[in-house]
Amino acid sequence: NAGVTQTPKFRVLKTGQSMTLLCAQDMNHEYMYWYRQDPGMGLRLIHYSVGEGTTAKGEVPDGYNVSRLKKQNFLLGLESAAPSQTSVYFCASGRTGGKSGELFFGEGSRLTVL
Amino acid sequence: GDSVTQMEGPVTLSEEAFLTINCTYTATGYPSLFWYVQYPGEGLQLLLKATKADDKGSNKGFEATYRKETTSFHLEKGSVQVSDSAVYFCALSVRAGSARQLTFGSGTQLTVLP
Repeated sequence: NAGVTQTPKFRVLKTGQSMTLLCAQDMNHEYMYWYRQDPGMGLRLIHYSVGEGTTAKGEVPDGYNVSRLKKQNFLLGLESAAPSQTSVYFCASGRTGGKSGELFFGEGSRLTVL
Repeated sequence: GDSVTQMEGPVTLSEEAFLTINCTYTATGYPSLFWYVQYPGEGLQLLLKATKADDKGSNKGFEATYRKETTSFHLEKGSVQVSDSAVYFCALSVRAGSARQLTFGSGTQLTVLP
């Protein structure tokens, strides 16, 4: 039972480098989300998608781009990484867009930008 | 805007002690309320939820009651175990754009000592 899988789990970047985080879910969920988790700040929504081919901005979208070319995958890109993007990133998916609250989370991807 | 404020941690208790983690919210309309738990090295998991006023959510010995008059959703457990050590997040579900989204509190770290 894979659920939500994130790759990579750890990454170290230098300022200005680019990278992509991949999220894959095998539950046929329509809705997918990317959050970042920082100490003392809980989880903040970066971008989300309500279906294949759609994306929308969340609370903290600046410096990130996303794509949802396939229903099961949601990619988070950093074009030019900055130290402020050092964080733990969580992907989540759900059936009803959070109405029931049952979002399923991946194990997280820890990104350090030097 | 909509927000969640929860008790700051860390909280350290002895096994079999009583637990309360306070959570209050600000929201327009009638949000659904949730508690998520994050065990070390893992993603978040839904612990319990309540979708309308006076509802009580419960799971694994944890309980929380949706109090509209005090805009609160405090988490309680009568007798904690070492295995309950985790970070607990209060959250509410709001509609933003084309999807409902979860807004999280900052999290409360709980450590239970044997």
